[in-house]
Amino acid sequence: GQQLNQSPQSMFIQEGEDVSMNCTSSSIFNTWLWYKQDPGEGPVLLIALYKAGELTSNGRLTAQFGITRKDSFLNISASIPSDVGIYFCAGRTGITGTASKLTFGTGTRLQVTL
Amino acid sequence: GAVVSQHPSWVICKSGTSVKIECRSLDFQATTMFWYRQFPKQSLMLMATSNEGSKATYEQGVEKDKFLINHASLTLSTLTVTSAHPEDSSFYICSARPPGGRTGELFFGEGSRLTVL
Repeated sequence: GQQLNQSPQSMFIQEGEDVSMNCTSSSIFNTWLWYKQDPGEGPVLLIALYKAGELTSNGRLTAQFGITRKDSFLNISASIPSDVGIYFCAGRTGITGTASKLTFGTGTRLQVTL
Repeated sequence: GAVVSQHPSWVICKSGTSVKIECRSLDFQATTMFWYRQFPKQSLMLMATSNEGSKATYEQGVEKDKFLINHASLTLSTLTVTSAHPEDSSFYICSARPPGGRTGELFFGEGSRLTVL
């Protein structure tokens, strides 16, 4: 099935640094979501974006829905050790039927060093 | 947020046996639930959409006779891996969307790790 391309694939950063990751698609999505997954757990929703150009924050996290509707980015400011995990973007084209299914990105693995 | 729970969280079985995984929405009713599979260091791949009171919709390449899905109530969907083989070993995750919530906000269960010997 279709996947969204995330970059970088992985990153090592020092505590306190800011992090930026993005997600791109060859097709348009009408909803973008960002999830975090800890090892052995299911993904947890971080931020949801519903409109092109929308910029939304959740604490130290900020995400934007690209104007072209084919991309989104997630920024984490002042990273802390508990930010470690895998971050997935996900996109959806519609709200009913098959269009309501989520397509997930390839993931960005974040590791934070003290 | 809404709570989705899976059971068991991990299971080990012998090749050829069948394994059932349950997905429950604890504080809301879900007419639709989704089942994903995740192999190590890979993304989540949608297997099927579970519809309460009707047949599940399977993604291309997913064998419906091997992965039986039953959505008998508004709070429970089950995935049965029949005649499991080692290549079925994976992390299976379910998700559901609360009614009335903003569209697209799927909540996920904790996942169930299946190991087939």
